[in-house]
Amino acid sequence: QQQVKQSPQSLIVQKGGISIINCAYENTAFDYFPWYQQFPGKGPALLIAIRPDVSEKKEGRFTISFNKSAKQFSLHIMDSQPGDSATYFCAASKRATNKLIFGTGTLLAVQP
Amino acid sequence: DAGVIQSPRHEVTEMGQEVTLRCKPISGHDYLFWYRQTMMRGLELLIYFNNNVPIDDSGMPEDRFSAKMPNASFSTLKIQPSEPRDSAVYFCASSYRQGRRPQHFGDGTRLSIL
Repeated sequence: QQQVKQSPQSLIVQKGGISIINCAYENTAFDYFPWYQQFPGKGPALLIAIRPDVSEKKEGRFTISFNKSAKQFSLHIMDSQPGDSATYFCAASKRATNKLIFGTGTLLAVQP
Repeated sequence: DAGVIQSPRHEVTEMGQEVTLRCKPISGHDYLFWYRQTMMRGLELLIYFNNNVPIDDSGMPEDRFSAKMPNASFSTLKIQPSEPRDSAVYFCASSYRQGRRPQHFGDGTRLSIL
């Protein structure tokens, strides 16, 4: 119940295309769903986050879609660029706690 | 402002040796987290502190691992004795206040145990 399942494990997208990464969870006590971006040799950095009372959040080319009934959420990267090539992690945490449960990560490669 | 600072960036040592990883959180942050990242297990939370007090150490793999936070600006993660399976990248992160707050990660320590 503590797990966050992430897919795909890796993804290759052409420049200008849409990258889609999916995550699913079981624990209905989770109420915060961030996405982190990690470049080689660096620590993860917060990209965008959503609360379960919102079905979609958009920041620039990055959008989170959230389906509370299905217990799924996804990251969409529009107009993908080679600079977006990185590993992306979804995560979840419960109310009133800072403890994040991370997905297994998706290695995104955007080809020029 | 400086981010989370970890040292050393790389550590190579022989099995059985003591290893100490260090972390300086962002000034003013009251939560500090230690993570381990491996290909097999992904990003795992080992322990986290609030106001220098350990809150949850359920992710610490064995008694060989210990973590301390003697003050608000410094934390250590110690492995004694080290084993080859401890080889991983160890990250420290800090955040401010409780709840839906971003965690700011350092650049990690790449640890190799021979």
